Amino acid sequence: QVQLVQSGSELKKPGASVKVSCKASGYTFTNYAVTWVRQAPGQGLEWMGWINTNTGNPTYAQGFTGRFVFSLDTSVSTAYLQISSLKAEDTAVYYCTRAVDIEGYYFDYWGQGALVTVSS
Amino acid sequence: QSVLTQPPSASGTPGQRVTISCSGSSSNIGSGTVNWFQQLPGTAPKLLIYTNHQRPSGVPDRFSGSKSGTSASLAISGLQSEDEADYYCAAWDDSLNGSFVFGTGTKVTVL
Repeated sequence: QVQLVQSGSELKKPGASVKVSCKASGYTFTNYAVTWVRQAPGQGLEWMGWINTNTGNPTYAQGFTGRFVFSLDTSVSTAYLQISSLKAEDTAVYYCTRAVDIEGYYFDYWGQGALVTVSS
Repeated sequence: QSVLTQPPSASGTPGQRVTISCSGSSSNIGSGTVNWFQQLPGTAPKLLIYTNHQRPSGVPDRFSGSKSGTSASLAISGLQSEDEADYYCAAWDDSLNGSFVFGTGTKVTVL
């Protein structure tokens, strides 16, 4: 069965960095892109971008350039989201998803989410 | 700021039919397909409808999706207490170098 398992909650101070992992299983990792979605406390869903798991090429949505980096380790079927120079407004749950591109894009499997809290 | 607009809330009694709208534009819904996600309290979103009206395996046929022009809608018939959740529409947007956009979200309450 397809699963995306994310790393646990993180508490970081402003200015620090964090790296969230997303380990995939149950399918061929390089056949589907991985997307990242942010959800701030009490807010809606926000698409951060995605990474082509075949080429490693990332695409970042507006507002997620510079401090946000998507990466892969295909040997362990894992995608990573690194956020540097953390700010209080980065406090959110970060989800990874599997992206399907058949007659349009859709996200069929989601990780359980990783809460990142930025506080001094 | 989302480019897909949904009503903030909707409600119904058990057994009723509830419909949620999702209003977009020619650069997103008008030129592509729509997905719907259900987010139960404290959990990750779950794909409910893809490619406008398709249901993934395991999703009850009480849930149905449709699209017309630059709008889409999700209908829940035979509303059940476990349907109380947040619902989001989503679509690819061709403007601004392309990006995926989510709707503003609708909280469904079962009275």
